[in-house]
Amino acid sequence: GAVVSQHPSWVICKSGTSVKIECRSLDFQATTMFWYRQFPKQSLMLMATSNEGSKATYEQGVEKDKFLINHASLTLSTLTVTSAHPEDSSFYICSARVPGQDTGELFFGEGSRLTVL
Amino acid sequence: GQNIDQPTEMTATEGAIVQINCTYQTSGFNGLFWYQQHAGEAPTFLSYNVLDGLEEKGRFSSFLSRSKGYSYLLLKELQMKDSASYLCAPMDSNYQLIWGAGTKLIIKP
Repeated sequence: GAVVSQHPSWVICKSGTSVKIECRSLDFQATTMFWYRQFPKQSLMLMATSNEGSKATYEQGVEKDKFLINHASLTLSTLTVTSAHPEDSSFYICSARVPGQDTGELFFGEGSRLTVL
Repeated sequence: GQNIDQPTEMTATEGAIVQINCTYQTSGFNGLFWYQQHAGEAPTFLSYNVLDGLEEKGRFSSFLSRSKGYSYLLLKELQMKDSASYLCAPMDSNYQLIWGAGTKLIIKP
């Protein structure tokens, strides 16, 4: 199956700093990647759809200036949490679909757990 | 609106069989996925149904009835490692997956 890799798996930062999370498709090219956030015991919440070579599409209620998404190549998308605050502490997960695959199966990265002190 | 309804939590015994039900309402429908998510980890794919009926894959089977907006995941010969959350995720007309909070399955010896 297709492999999506995220880095870092765990990150702890001080309030007010910025954190960058990388999402890579290792064995396929992903023109579109999806960024989710998941709080404990809650459902996955789609934050934004990352499009290679163009601006990301953000879901309602997600601040574009706070969650910067860059999809500069067909295998890499990055999410930067700017001026992080404790309420941004969450599990961030990226995913992608394999182009041309019949099903819409999403392949997920390992996830990145962010703790803001 | 779009919504998913699954039990919050279920408990079963090792070696037994458990069925996790899911009802859904979506704007359009392009199939339904079941994912498994262990605590602290990302979801992993279990099954995909787009036509009515039962799809069997080893110890796991998934059923879909589109007219009823209903699906279930059947797990046989339960093992301790099956303790996880199981997410029912239908795909709407825009090919977006709709996520619920999932069903936390607890397996007891």
